[in-house]
Amino acid sequence: SQQGEEDPQALSIQEGENATMNCSYKTSINNLQWYRQNSGRGLVHLILIRSNEREKHSGRLRVTLDTSKKSSSLLITASRAADTASYFCATDAGGYGGSQGNLIFGKGTKLSVKP
Amino acid sequence: EADIYQTPRYLVIGTGKKITLECSQTMGHDKMYWYQQDPGMELHLIHYSYGVNSTEKGDLSSESTVSRIRTEHFPLTLESARPSHTSQYLCASSARAYNEQFFGPGTRLTVL
Repeated sequence: SQQGEEDPQALSIQEGENATMNCSYKTSINNLQWYRQNSGRGLVHLILIRSNEREKHSGRLRVTLDTSKKSSSLLITASRAADTASYFCATDAGGYGGSQGNLIFGKGTKLSVKP
Repeated sequence: EADIYQTPRYLVIGTGKKITLECSQTMGHDKMYWYQQDPGMELHLIHYSYGVNSTEKGDLSSESTVSRIRTEHFPLTLESARPSHTSQYLCASSARAYNEQFFGPGTRLTVL
């Protein structure tokens, strides 16, 4: 069963605008991670937020985590054409016995930033 | 760029062929993973390893097999490829469970 699910599935914005993507998950977690994937490439780790953290920043990225709602959001400020990619949230399978520590990925949000 | 490599990047082969997808990392990571990803879709974990001589099946059933004889090397083998195996295969590694994962560039496999 899917642990993480991103919303929206696709997002199209103009350069300079902010982009917000959301992730919902089902079970308790140790941490939640966000990754970026450029078309046809591997994933690149962006940021990790632990279950006892509520907000984290890295450059133009801001991630929030609400464990009571089992949701997270990724905000990219002042977007650039180079931010065009798919963004995935990943939660650890903390409650899944032998697979503890493995990540479960959502379907991703496809972001398109138009120049 | 992470120090994790996959070869080949693209592979087109006929049905019934045996293939091995190579994955190597130079970071000394104990945990390694293989994911399968169809275009525009989520990643599915098909194999993982805690270290040398350790291999486990992931959440998605796969006809492939893996081996981990050396820390840095985690090859994936398909004994008899079929069109249903057409997909992108991504290799990743991490220093420990729960840590960030570093991904290779992927192998795009097409079985005719």
